[in-house]
Amino acid sequence: GQNIDQPTEMTATEGAIVQINCTYQTSGFNGLFWYQQHAGEAPTFLSYNVLDGLEEKGRFSSFLSRSKGYSYLLLKELQMKDSASYLCAVGSGAGSYQLTFGKGTKLSVIP
Amino acid sequence: SAVISQKPSRDICQRGTSLTIQCQVDSQVTMMFWYRQQPGQSLTLIATANQGSEATYESGFVIDKFPISRPNLTFSTLTVSNMSPEDSSIYLCSSLLGGTEAFFGQGTRLTVV
Repeated sequence: GQNIDQPTEMTATEGAIVQINCTYQTSGFNGLFWYQQHAGEAPTFLSYNVLDGLEEKGRFSSFLSRSKGYSYLLLKELQMKDSASYLCAVGSGAGSYQLTFGKGTKLSVIP
Repeated sequence: SAVISQKPSRDICQRGTSLTIQCQVDSQVTMMFWYRQQPGQSLTLIATANQGSEATYESGFVIDKFPISRPNLTFSTLTVSNMSPEDSSIYLCSSLLGGTEAFFGQGTRLTVV
């Protein structure tokens, strides 16, 4: 089966750093994805990790440890527009990258 | 990047009726995916649609309720049949860019009354 856990909500201050954790137990693994979803909008791709380690992309970084079934998304220099839900998703399936999503972490950035 | 145009963006439907949602991709893609996102919840995969073959449905979803068409490599439809209020949800189509990055249509917000 598939089980993906992430915190339901987080609050952080503008300009600060926040880390959103995700743990997973899945049958099959083709990579770990992070998506951002603003209220009422479709998800947009943030990052993809398939090997262990840290991937940095501007203010956003994502880390993966496959042996621990663990990932985190790190957001630096938070801006008000970063208030959104952040979805952790695991890709599986024979090369088809079917995504199983966690329930999402709603991040609120406050002044 | 690639773009998926999804329509309608929203609809209010009577119970017992059916709604067909369309997705048009601006490039040829092998696989398309249909997701449902119920209020306050994350995305749940309904089915995977390949061109030229029947869609593959996830547990809890059946073809009679959610028939899917995939007539070519740029287009797909999902029909929500014999709707009930429990079908009120956001429906999203998706495909893959470069084989890894999933991109989504704008979503269809369906309300069944």
